[in-house]
Amino acid sequence: AQKITQTQPGMFVQEKEAVTLDCTYDTSDPSYGLFWYKQPSSGEMIFLIYQGSYDQQNATEGRYSLNFQKARKSANLVISASQLGDSAMYFCAMREPYQTQGGSEKLVFGKGTKLTVNP
Amino acid sequence: DVKVTQSSRYLVKRTGEKVFLECVQDMDHENMFWYRQDPGLGLRLIYFSYDVKMKEKGDIPEGYSVSREKKERFSLILESTSTNQTSMYLCASSTPYRDRGYEQYFGPGTRLTVT
Repeated sequence: AQKITQTQPGMFVQEKEAVTLDCTYDTSDPSYGLFWYKQPSSGEMIFLIYQGSYDQQNATEGRYSLNFQKARKSANLVISASQLGDSAMYFCAMREPYQTQGGSEKLVFGKGTKLTVNP
Repeated sequence: DVKVTQSSRYLVKRTGEKVFLECVQDMDHENMFWYRQDPGLGLRLIYFSYDVKMKEKGDIPEGYSVSREKKERFSLILESTSTNQTSMYLCASSTPYRDRGYEQYFGPGTRLTVT
């Protein structure tokens, strides 16, 4: 079973409008973390935002906010006032709990959503 | 700023050749990771390392090995390449800060083509 599901392979939005990218996750562990990364055509993964499972408030970073609904196991990314430079692949990821000595952890990624911002 | 660099952006190899992909980070991070990325599959973890000379298998370790002799350097080795290893390979290192969720920083990626 997929641990991270992104149901939108592609999304289109007009410049200056807001867009929501969906992400649902599956875990039975009470302690986890959720991330969103952006990957432009250049290929580099860029960290956008992080939400811890115990965080009381939804995370925000500039134009990015994470709509965290714990009971629904969803962690949607909201981009306000879209810009042409926001066109990219967006990946949702979940940090799996500690499984090894040294406290290492793994990220499990969704398959991504390709966002296109139209002028 | 954290910097993660990878030795090559593009590589073309013939089937059966040996390939070294090198990754270097400059932030003294203990944890480092190798992923491969394929269209429609997202990123999948190949191996990770939580200390010098320590390594753990990820989700798809078959056909790969790794080496970590120095803290800043994590190498991915393909002993005998095959066409199904054509992919984008991404290296990452992670912060030790819990309040940032142990955020991972990624390198620019190496696009490997095996013919």
